Amino acid sequence: DADVTQTPRNRITKTGKRIMLECSQTKGHDRMYWYRQDPGLGLRLIYYSFDVKDINKGEISDGYSVSRQAQAKFSLSLESAIPNQTALYFCATSDSGTGPHNEQFFGPGTRLTVL
Amino acid sequence: AQKITQTQPGMFVQEKEAVTLDCTYDTSDPSYGLFWYKQPSSGEMIFLIYQGSYDQQNATEGRYSLNFQKARKSANLVISASQLGDSAMYFCAMSPKGGSQGNLIFGKGTKLSVKP
Repeated sequence: DADVTQTPRNRITKTGKRIMLECSQTKGHDRMYWYRQDPGLGLRLIYYSFDVKDINKGEISDGYSVSRQAQAKFSLSLESAIPNQTALYFCATSDSGTGPHNEQFFGPGTRLTVL
Repeated sequence: AQKITQTQPGMFVQEKEAVTLDCTYDTSDPSYGLFWYKQPSSGEMIFLIYQGSYDQQNATEGRYSLNFQKARKSANLVISASQLGDSAMYFCAMSPKGGSQGNLIFGKGTKLSVKP
């Protein structure tokens, strides 16, 4: 079984709809992240969480919110989806205390299309 | 500002030859980490190799090596003996501030195509 799972894997929705993307991990890591990937732009950080009570905005948090329901679960919500939020979304995890060698483990990605 | 720059949007290499993918970074932190990830057409992100800012030797992992030139702030990925399965997007990333922020800063990627 995969260590980091994301649901759904693909989603097509309409402008104005509320969407939730979910991420679960079995790696026992305390840190979790949401990234967005657009063609030609690489991955950009949306939100990150160091533990259940710690949520931080990333580079592009506007239009998104997150919830860390448990150490293993981190969900991303689009309150009112718009077409320029069409992208590939990745959840990632890492272990604190590893210093700069904080390798991140990525989920398989969720391809979101907003019409 | 902390930044990763990958200047090669796309590259071609002949099968069995070596190829170098360029990466330069910008940070004022003394402690940082540098990573390379591979993203095949299926979309997943695969960790390839890591180099710490205090590491004295260049990192190697099988056919992958990282040419770390600290003074020039470059961390180029070298793939030896290219294989068709190496065709993918390659991302350079940095972990600033000794990893305390947790997140990675990514470059825009290089698309590598291996020709038979």
